[in-house]
Amino acid sequence: TQLLEQSPQFLSIQEGENLTVYCNSSSVFSSLQWYRQEPGEGPVLLVTVVTGGEVKKLKRLTFQFGDARKDSSLHITAAQPGDTGLYLCAGEDTGNQFYFGTGTSLTVIP
Amino acid sequence: NAGVMQNPRHLVRRRGQEARLRCSPMKGHSHVYWYRQLPEEGLKFMVYLQKENIIDESGMPKERFSAEFPKEGPSILRIQQVVRGDSAAYFCASSPDGWAQPQHFGDGTRLSIL
Repeated sequence: TQLLEQSPQFLSIQEGENLTVYCNSSSVFSSLQWYRQEPGEGPVLLVTVVTGGEVKKLKRLTFQFGDARKDSSLHITAAQPGDTGLYLCAGEDTGNQFYFGTGTSLTVIP
Repeated sequence: NAGVMQNPRHLVRRRGQEARLRCSPMKGHSHVYWYRQLPEEGLKFMVYLQKENIIDESGMPKERFSAEFPKEGPSILRIQQVVRGDSAAYFCASSPDGWAQPQHFGDGTRLSIL
């Protein structure tokens, strides 16, 4: 059973477009993190959210933690080829277990 | 990803051989996590160790796989009698404290089984 489902699984868009990636669960998470992974490398942490309803911005990236702390979204404005990569959400549930999501593979076409 | 060092970066083994994957955590980090990743998929947790202790091994197969994090030296993920299905990228991460802390990842070891 996959605790954290990400959608879409694959996304290919043109440079300059906007996109949103979702991370959903039926479980409550005490904290949730977003990572980006490029081919041949390990994941790199982008952000951590801990409060329900929290919104964090990182340049063109906007992260939101759902009010009930069961879901999160990542919105990218004016995507650039450098945004290409595998985006992973990960969270710690209330039982102190840590899970990674299924991942969203993003390709931004110049 | 500077700081967490994994070696080797690529490892080729024949079926039945042993694979040893090493991970040196970031300086000051005493918590180590091992994950397995198949192409285009997310990371699957295997084991969480703190110096000399296994904290959580719920994601690690009970046979052929073992992990250690000795007082001195790197953490080792050991796979005995490898099979084709063990082919994957194995990532190590470290943190200064437990699960709630952000994890810093190494660049992984790509294991290929012939």
